[in-house]
Amino acid sequence: SQTIHQWPATLVQPVGSPLSLECTVEGTSNPNLYWYRQAAGRGLQLLFYSVGIGQISSEVPQNLSASRPQDRQFILSSKKLLLSDSGFYLCAVGLGQLRYFGPGTRLTVL
Amino acid sequence: GESVGLHLPTLSVQEGDNSIINCAYSNSASDYFIWYKQESGKGPQFIIDIRSNMDKRQGQRVTVLLNKTVKHLSLQIAATQPGDSAVYFCADQTGANNLFFGTGTRLTVIP
Repeated sequence: SQTIHQWPATLVQPVGSPLSLECTVEGTSNPNLYWYRQAAGRGLQLLFYSVGIGQISSEVPQNLSASRPQDRQFILSSKKLLLSDSGFYLCAVGLGQLRYFGPGTRLTVL
Repeated sequence: GESVGLHLPTLSVQEGDNSIINCAYSNSASDYFIWYKQESGKGPQFIIDIRSNMDKRQGQRVTVLLNKTVKHLSLQIAATQPGDSAVYFCADQTGANNLFFGTGTRLTVIP
């Protein structure tokens, strides 16, 4: 079975600072990978998905970007964080129609 | 547009009672539904799923019911335990990458 690692687990960043969140996956090859954001008291919003190395699809226009430099590595980045970027960021692996989620990164932008 | 929502944002039940969490969806073309459980500070975990060609599916202590006529989905948890306290999400899938989540219902189990 697959294992999903995310780091850092928590992060506090000032407005305007850069961001890099990392997700790595074990136990599966060529997975579909996803970045979701969960704002407080809200559902999960799909940000990006990737079906392979270098292939990124963006679902929501914003100041975030994603990259997939390796088969089992998915990175979420920003050049300048906004207050509205605060939230719980979840990386997920797609297996068939199911999503398996990582432990998440709690980002607070001050 | 497509929406998946929940009738109640919070639900409190006594330990040992059965819990019922409801969800409504709007897209009649939806053909696959999933329930997730999310404990505080953790990622969502898969509980159970159901396809639109079924109206009921049972797992261990959980049952999902699907009523396509009224576009309603429910999750039943039997003999609710303190470990069941969490936020429960339903999700509606219409394509390989189109998984829409509701806002969630927070279940609190009272000892």
